[in-house]
Order: sequence, then C-alpha cells, then structure tokens
Amino acid sequence: AQSVTQLDSHVSVSEGTPVLLRCNYSSSYSPSLFWYVQHPNKGLQLLLKYTSAATLVKGINGFEAEFKKSETSFHLTKPSAHMSDAAEYFCVVSDLTATDKLIFGTGTRLQVFP
Amino acid sequence: DAGVTQSPTHLIKTRGQQVTLRCSPKSGHDTVSWYQQALGQGPQFIFQYYEEEERQRGNFPDRFSGHQFPNYSSELNVNALLLGDSALYLCASSFRQYEQYFGPGTRLTVT
Repeated sequence: AQSVTQLDSHVSVSEGTPVLLRCNYSSSYSPSLFWYVQHPNKGLQLLLKYTSAATLVKGINGFEAEFKKSETSFHLTKPSAHMSDAAEYFCVVSDLTATDKLIFGTGTRLQVFP
Repeated sequence: DAGVTQSPTHLIKTRGQQVTLRCSPKSGHDTVSWYQQALGQGPQFIFQYYEEEERQRGNFPDRFSGHQFPNYSSELNVNALLLGDSALYLCASSFRQYEQYFGPGTRLTVT
C-alpha cells in the first residue's frame, strides 16, 4: 500500500531564507507524488507533481522537489521564502488503483517570519 | 472558467441529523472525489464517482453516501451525524483519473 510520511509538523523560517519540507514515501511501484499547499480557509492547490519523468520537478511560486528513489524521499524546497508562503503543505501519493485516489500526509505548517 | 465550486461554505448541524453537501466540477471534468479533512489532519478519501456510479470507497461507514448527476455534479450525504463528523469536506474533480482540482470545501460543525 502507498503511504507518505511528513517528517516535520511545523517548520519556521525567516523571510528570504531557504525552505525545506521533508517527505518520505512508501510504494510497491513507481509512485506518482505531489505537493499541495493549503492557505487558511482556502482549498488545496497543486504545487508540483512527479510522474516518473525528470527526478527534479519544478512547480509554481519557485518551489521544486527532488525524487530520490534510493532514499524514498520527495522533499520540497524553495531558495528564498516569502511571507505569502506561510501555509499548510501536504505531501501526497497517488493510489495505483483505477481511481488514482490521493493519499495525504499529515501536513507541515510553514511559518515565515519577517 | 469557474473552478470547482462547493456549497454551502459552512454548515452547523446537531447530532443525529442528516446533511447534504454539493459539488460542481470544473468544466470538462467527469469525475468527482470527496475527501474529509479533520482539524489538524490531512484529507482522507471518502469515495469517487464516475459515470454516476461509486467507483471506489475509502474507509468510511455506510452513513456516508453520495450521488453523481448526469451533468457530473455530485452530492455527499451523511446520515445520523456524530460529533466526529465535524470536518472540512473537500470535493475534487478531474477528467477521468487525471489531475484532481479541489474546491474550497464545506466546513461542517456538528454540535
């Protein structure tokens, strides 16, 4: 069965410093992996997705993630945090059934200080 | 092009009551999935509808049921509400099994 583990429930950074949100996955097959962001009182927005093409995936708003099969990791990074990046981030794996249902991690709350 | 829309935005119900939540998919999408997001948790898959039939169901009791209409919109019904049903209910639409787009959710509070 597919699953993801987000290693940090909270991450705090200063504006302008790098962001690292960590995610490990478990999958019997080559997984489809995603990062979603959820701002307060808003729906989920797709940041980026990995579907077995390039291992370094670029997303929106300057975010990127690297798929590392040897480490079963899919960490999300951004070189320079902005105040507007403060939100909840979810690492997600797609179930490999016909529905491709999404299996979410527990989330990482990113705080950005001025 | 309107994205995924959900109604109502907020809802307060009493234990034992029944509730219906509604979702209109993004234009061109034919598949609707429902997720429950409890406070401080990641969303959990409830079920998915395609061609007006439930295609897959997550680990939720039969109190949770749904429907998809010919125009692809969908309803989520919850009977005999429990306090633990309080959550944000998210609808996601897609074309077949491709990328899912989420609506803003319905916040259900059960008192």
